Amino acid sequence: GNSVTQMEGPVTLSEEAFLTINCTYTATGYPSLFWYVQYPGEGLQLLLKATKADDKGSNKGFEATYRKETTSFHLEKGSVQVSDSAVYFCALSDGVDSSYKLIFGSGTRLLVRP
Amino acid sequence: EAGVTQFPSHSVIEKGQTVTLRCDPISGHDNLYWYRRVMGKEIKFLLHFVKESKQDESGMPNNRFLAERTGGTYSTLKVQPAELEDSGVYFCASSQLEGWTYEQYFGPGTRLTVT
Repeated sequence: GNSVTQMEGPVTLSEEAFLTINCTYTATGYPSLFWYVQYPGEGLQLLLKATKADDKGSNKGFEATYRKETTSFHLEKGSVQVSDSAVYFCALSDGVDSSYKLIFGSGTRLLVRP
Repeated sequence: EAGVTQFPSHSVIEKGQTVTLRCDPISGHDNLYWYRRVMGKEIKFLLHFVKESKQDESGMPNNRFLAERTGGTYSTLKVQPAELEDSGVYFCASSQLEGWTYEQYFGPGTRLTVT
């Protein structure tokens, strides 16, 4: 079945450091890929998405490229800020079944220190 | 425009009791999803409504869980009787359009603690 694997956290970085959170997936169809973020005390928010191979999603300085050959969708940011501290979830959705449900990874907590 | 709202934000109940969680989706969103995150693990799908109909309830763990969406507006998720392993954060999400490329908008979640 479909699944998403992302790197274990927590990830602790200093402000302005480079961020990579790895995400790989297994899917039978042609999924769309998402990164959701949960800031403390808030709900999940869509950070970025990519709907086909080689697409790059970007938002708020974060980027991720849909790599079909490596089944990956790694999240990157060139210079993190304290305000980026949150839990990041990689997810996929495909059209194989009709529910279009999201399948999530286990989440990676990011802590950015001043 | 109001986002997805969930009530309560936190519930603490004893094993064997009943709890009902409520979700109000964004107005006009026909698709409503329930998800659950247990003990810091991955967020798992529970079920999907299209208007008042259950499109997919393959993620419901057992028959102690009952979801309804009367009238196609808000939804409730009842757990009866609650067990310790039901503890976790229950998220509701809604989307206007149906499809795997469309964003789902999430509520803040209800944290359920069963003691």
